Amino acid sequence: GENVEQHPSTLSVQEGDSAVIKCTYSDSASNYFPWYKQELGKRPQLIIDIRSNVGEKKDQRIAVTLNKTAKHFSLHITETQPEDSAVYFCAANFGNEKLTFGTGTRLTIIP
Amino acid sequence: DTAVSQTPKYLVTQMGNDKSIKCEQNLGHDTMYWYKQDSKKFLKIMFSYNNKELIINETVPNRFSPKSPDKAHLNLHINSLELGDSAVYFCASSQPRTGTSGNTIYFGEGSWLTVV
Repeated sequence: GENVEQHPSTLSVQEGDSAVIKCTYSDSASNYFPWYKQELGKRPQLIIDIRSNVGEKKDQRIAVTLNKTAKHFSLHITETQPEDSAVYFCAANFGNEKLTFGTGTRLTIIP
Repeated sequence: DTAVSQTPKYLVTQMGNDKSIKCEQNLGHDTMYWYKQDSKKFLKIMFSYNNKELIINETVPNRFSPKSPDKAHLNLHINSLELGDSAVYFCASSQPRTGTSGNTIYFGEGSWLTVV
């Protein structure tokens, strides 16, 4: 089936520390893995994505790693700041135009 | 300047009523979607249209009927509203690229539907 599992569901991190969120997917044909950030009352917005031809991608304090063999990918946020507090969603494509989202991780940065 | 815009933003209505949510995108994208986000924040795809044609229709009650008059618009009509329909409904769009699967989805600001 088309399944994306995401862990943990909630995560509290001291400001300045790192946060890691993990996802697994069910379809070995999936090849596009975006991460979205949703602030309270706002729309989900893309923060980083990775395709299956690379194992890691970095953008300033945010990085994503992909292990295709194990069918899992992770979001890493370093030097966390209060504005990083939000709900984060991973996603994977099933077929060309269908993105299935994980269940979300509520990240809280403790000042 | 809003790329994906949907109206209304807030909607409170009684059970049994019929309501519509409208969506427009000015990104020139060929594909549009409706997603539902429930109180637990789960984001579930409902429908997807590509150039006015339905391509994804998840297990959604047939009280929900999408309509795409052109590729820039995708409206959602809901008949006989039920309490469980209360959620945030997000419209979104993306642009398929030849030779590439999986494309960035851009969301609208959401429509908060409350059924009382």
